[in-house]
Amino acid sequence: DAKTTQPPSMDCAEGRAANLPCNHSTISGNEYVYWYRQIHSQGPQYIIHGLKNNETNEMASLIITEDRKSSTLILPHATLRDTAVYYCIVSAANAGGTSYGKLTFGQGTILTVHP
Amino acid sequence: DAGITQSPRHKVTETGTPVTLRCHQTENHRYMYWYRQDPGHGLRLIHYSYGVKDTDKGEVSDGYSVSRSKTEDFLLTLESATSSQTSVYFCAISGSGGVAGELFFGEGSRLTVL
Repeated sequence: DAKTTQPPSMDCAEGRAANLPCNHSTISGNEYVYWYRQIHSQGPQYIIHGLKNNETNEMASLIITEDRKSSTLILPHATLRDTAVYYCIVSAANAGGTSYGKLTFGQGTILTVHP
Repeated sequence: DAGITQSPRHKVTETGTPVTLRCHQTENHRYMYWYRQDPGHGLRLIHYSYGVKDTDKGEVSDGYSVSRSKTEDFLLTLESATSSQTSVYFCAISGSGGVAGELFFGEGSRLTVL
C-alpha cells in the first residue's frame, strides 16, 4: 500500500470548515483513498472514501486532485465533537480476496476544534 | 453501531502468562481483524480472517496466534505475554457486500503486561 503524509496537528474554530490535507504521491491506479477518525480512545470510525472523483456524504467531503497525488478532507462546519485524530489511508483493500479490507494506519492528524 | 463486542475490556496480567482476547460480532461479516495501537505507532494489523478457519498474518504477528472456528468469533491469543505486548487491542469487521475499506471497530481491549 502507498504511504501517506499528513500534518501532525491542526486547529480549527468551531463552525468553520476544517480542511485536512493528505499527500499520497505514490498511489497506484487501483488504490482508493480512505479517511477515518478516532475520537479519544474509541475505535476508529470510517468517514469517507474515493478513487478519482470528489465525494460527499453526511459527514464530510473528499477532494482528490486530478493526478491523485493528494487529497483534502473537508468538515464543512466543525464542532467540538469533531476533535479527533484523522487518518488518511491509501489502500487496494477493494482488490478482494485475502487483501479485502486490509488497511495500514499512519500517525494521522490531530484536529483540535476550538470554541 | 455495528454489533462488535470485545472482551475483556481491561486486563492486567504478568509476563509469561497466556492471554486470550475475544471479538464477537453479530453482523455475520466475513472479514475480521485484530489491530494493536501504541503511542507513536498508530494502529498496526496483527492478524486477520477472511472466513471461518481462514486466517493470515498482518505486519506485527510475532507472538500472537488467532483462531476463528465460527463466523461470529475471532480470538487473539498471546501464548506467553511479554511487556512489549502491553497495548490497546482493537477488533474490526468488514463485510464483502459493502465498501471494501469500511471497517467497523470495537471499543478496544486494554492489556497491561507487568
